[in-house]
Parts: sequence; structure tokens; C-alpha cells
Amino acid sequence: AQTVTQSQPEMSVQEAETVTLSCTYDTSESNYYLFWYKQPPSRQMILVIRQEAYKQQNATENRFSVNFQKAAKSFSLKISDSQLGDTAMYFCALENAGNMLTFGGGTRLMVKP
Amino acid sequence: GAVVSQHPSWVICKSGTSVKIECRSLDFQATTMFWYRQFPKQSLMLMATSNEGSKATYEQGVEKDKFLINHASLTLSTLTVTSAHPEDSSFYICSARDLMRGAEETQYFGPGTRLLVL
Repeated sequence: AQTVTQSQPEMSVQEAETVTLSCTYDTSESNYYLFWYKQPPSRQMILVIRQEAYKQQNATENRFSVNFQKAAKSFSLKISDSQLGDTAMYFCALENAGNMLTFGGGTRLMVKP
Repeated sequence: GAVVSQHPSWVICKSGTSVKIECRSLDFQATTMFWYRQFPKQSLMLMATSNEGSKATYEQGVEKDKFLINHASLTLSTLTVTSAHPEDSSFYICSARDLMRGAEETQYFGPGTRLLVL
């Protein structure tokens, strides 16, 4: 069984500031993928960033970057220059070889003007 | 980009009736679709994996006779909540995988269906 844990139920950040969301996971598989998804009030799941476990280089997508620490099984998301539109629920997820996603409990992020 | 639609977006029904939710991949083929359930302020919980042309695989604790899944084509999967009860009220989300992009491709999510059983 695999688990994903997000220890921060809620976070807030001032507009233009930087915020880091934490995620730890556990899996017995050697090959897997990690994701961060954003769920705004519309509840549409939006892929923010993806990381292949076999790649040591941290993934980056514009203002979003991850800190992937494989040995520690940690996968944090850094949002730089936070914008009001970043306000949403953020879910960390792990995909195994069976292509099934396991989600963390989510972190509610509020960006304040 | 890959688009997944769901219909209806919301539905209200009486207790004891059945409700069908459709999940369609609009511009790609999906051999596999997934059905999730999300309670308010909670995370997504995988209910079942739907494979085209074969029986769905249900997660532990999910009643297959209550949540009927049919994946009749590479672009359509349906979830039918049979004899719905108020406790079935929830937000149901589907996702689909693009066959042509291989195993490394991510899942694409539908916009979800809000079900309220009175």
C-alpha cells in the first residue's frame, strides 16, 4: 500500500510572496510518479507539476517548482510570486505502476492581497 | 490539450432512484478511466478503475452492485449509482488516460458531478 501525507491543512501567503507546501509519501515501488494538483473553487482538478521518480532534477513549471528528496520520500511544492489566482486546494499525489493515483489530504492555500 | 467532460454537472434525485453519470474523453482515446469520490473539504478517493471492454476493478469497500461502471468504448465510461440514498450524496470525478501518449502520460480529469440525494 502507498500513502501520501500533507501535514498542512491550511496555509496563507501574501500576494507576490513565496510559499512552500509540504508532502511526504511512502511506497515500496522503485518507479513511480509524483504530482501536484490544484483544485480551485470550480473543483476542476488542474495538473500543476509532475516529477518522475527516476529523475533527480527537480521539475519546474514557471512559478511552480518542487523539491524532490527521494531518500526522504519528500516532495514539496514551492510557489513563487504568489498570485490571487493561486488560491485553491492543492493535492499531492503518487502514481504507481498500476497507474492509480493516491492523493494526500490536501492543503488549502489562501493568497492574500 | 486533452479534455474530459462529465454529464451532468449536477443532479438532484429522490432516494431510491438510480442516477447515471457519463465521462467522455473528447479529443483522445482512453483505455482506462478512473472514478473518484470527494466529500466536502476532503481528498479524492479512488472508487474504481474502468477498462474499456472489461469489468471494472473496484477498490476495497466500494460496493460494485451499487456503483455500476460500464466502459463501452474508448471515449465513454458511465457510473450508475443504483438505489441512491442520502449518504451517496457527494462529488464524483472521473479521469482518463490518453492511450496514444503511452504509460508516462498523466491522467486528465473531468469537471466533476455533484450528486444530491434527497
